[in-house]
Amino acid sequence: GESVGLHLPTLSVQEGDNSIINCAYSNSASDYFIWYKQESGKGPQFIIDIRSNMDKRQGQRVTVLLNKTVKHLSLQIAATQPGDSAVYFCAESSESGATNKLIFGTGTLLAVQP
Amino acid sequence: KAGVTQTPRYLIKTRGQQVTLSCSPISGHRSVSWYQQTPGQGLQFLFEYFSETQRNKGNFPGRFSGRQFSNSRSEMNVSTLELGDSALYLCASSLGETGEATEAFFGQGTRLTVV
Repeated sequence: GESVGLHLPTLSVQEGDNSIINCAYSNSASDYFIWYKQESGKGPQFIIDIRSNMDKRQGQRVTVLLNKTVKHLSLQIAATQPGDSAVYFCAESSESGATNKLIFGTGTLLAVQP
Repeated sequence: KAGVTQTPRYLIKTRGQQVTLSCSPISGHRSVSWYQQTPGQGLQFLFEYFSETQRNKGNFPGRFSGRQFSNSRSEMNVSTLELGDSALYLCASSLGETGEATEAFFGQGTRLTVV
């Protein structure tokens, strides 16, 4: 029979509020992390990345926090806008050396209410 | 600078057929990775090519293969298509230099439907 689709957690926020999207990663040896935004019918769009030697990195309206102790990553979006509505994925690179193999989380659906 | 280009955008194939998808990376990028995205399994890594060599491979059957050309363009091939191969196939481009992982930028994907 058909496989059941992944159940995406949903975060619903009001326009103008701050959003925090969380991600738990699996491999304590992972040394590089990326957040992606995916809109319907499009490929994932790079938002921000962070390496394991940092615990915080800021971009335009976005901040990524990394807590290696509990293997947790978060994406903060300031002043959330309707255009931010999308599915957000965290991805980790868990193989050392010359590789770009990314392991993706299941994603979080961000719904911005006007 | 042009982004990652995948062709075709949509494909409908019959079970048992084979299909070839194409990816042109960002100019200057030498690493191309392929991913399969389905509602049931999410985004899963297929393989990565760098300088015409497969550098890493995911857990997919041998029906899934790929190659990379000297201009860094890459193709992936799926033979003996099954209904379960219906998915969005995504290509990611990155600099790929040795030492550490770097930003990977995705194309729009090829939506493959197997009937």
